[in-house]
Amino acid sequence: NAGVTQTPKFQVLKTGQSMTLQCAQDMNHEYMSWYRQDPGMGLRLIHYSVGAGITDQGEVPNGYNVSRSTTEDFPLRLLSAAPSQTSVYFCASRPGHSSYEQYFGPGTRLTVT
Amino acid sequence: ELKVEQNPLFLSMQEGKNYTIYCNYSTTSDRLYWYRQDPGKSLESLFVLLSNGAVKQEGRLMASLDTKARLSTLHITAAVHDLSATYFCAVDMSYNTDKLIFGTGTRLQVFP
Repeated sequence: NAGVTQTPKFQVLKTGQSMTLQCAQDMNHEYMSWYRQDPGMGLRLIHYSVGAGITDQGEVPNGYNVSRSTTEDFPLRLLSAAPSQTSVYFCASRPGHSSYEQYFGPGTRLTVT
Repeated sequence: ELKVEQNPLFLSMQEGKNYTIYCNYSTTSDRLYWYRQDPGKSLESLFVLLSNGAVKQEGRLMASLDTKARLSTLHITAAVHDLSATYFCAVDMSYNTDKLIFGTGTRLQVFP
C-alpha cells in the first residue's frame, strides 16, 4: 500500500489563482480530512468527509471547497488564492467506525504571492 | 468553543531524565490523540485514548487520559536524543466525525 499520497509537494501561486491539491489513499478508508499547518502552530481542520458523497466543514473552511466522489480521492480546491492561505496542507485518513488511528500524508507546501 | 492547551510549549531536557507534557481541553470529548512531528515532516500517530483512565505505553512514552479533569499527559521516561520532536495532542469535537482540534504543540529537545 502506498498509504496516503498528496500532490504536488510544493506549489507557488499568485493571488487570485485557483488550484486543486490532490489527496488519495489506497487503504479503503472511509474517513478523510484536510488540515492546514501554519508556522509554529498545530493543525487546523479545513474540511472532512465520512464517506463518498459526504463532506462537512471544519474549523477554517472559508476559501476552500472539497468533494468526495470516490472512497480513494479527496481533492481540496482553492477558489481564489490569497496570501493568508500560504501554509502546509496535510491530508489524513482513517478506516472508519471503531478504528480511530489517523494516517497522514506527506503534506503540500503552498506559497501564495 | 473547544480549546486545547499544551504546556510547556518548549522543553529542553537532558538525556536520561523524566518529564511530562500536559494537554488540557475545555469541553467534554470522547477521543484524544497524541502525535509526533519531526521538522519538515508529516505527523506520526502515537496514541489514541478513548476512555477515562485510559493509559497507553510505547517504549519511553506513556499517555494517560482523565476525562473528568479534561486532562491528558504524555510522560517521557529516561529521555533519549531520538525523542527530540514536536508533540501535539488533539481532541475530537464531536462523536465519530474527526473534527479534531489540535493543541499548539510542545517542542522537545533532548541533549546529552
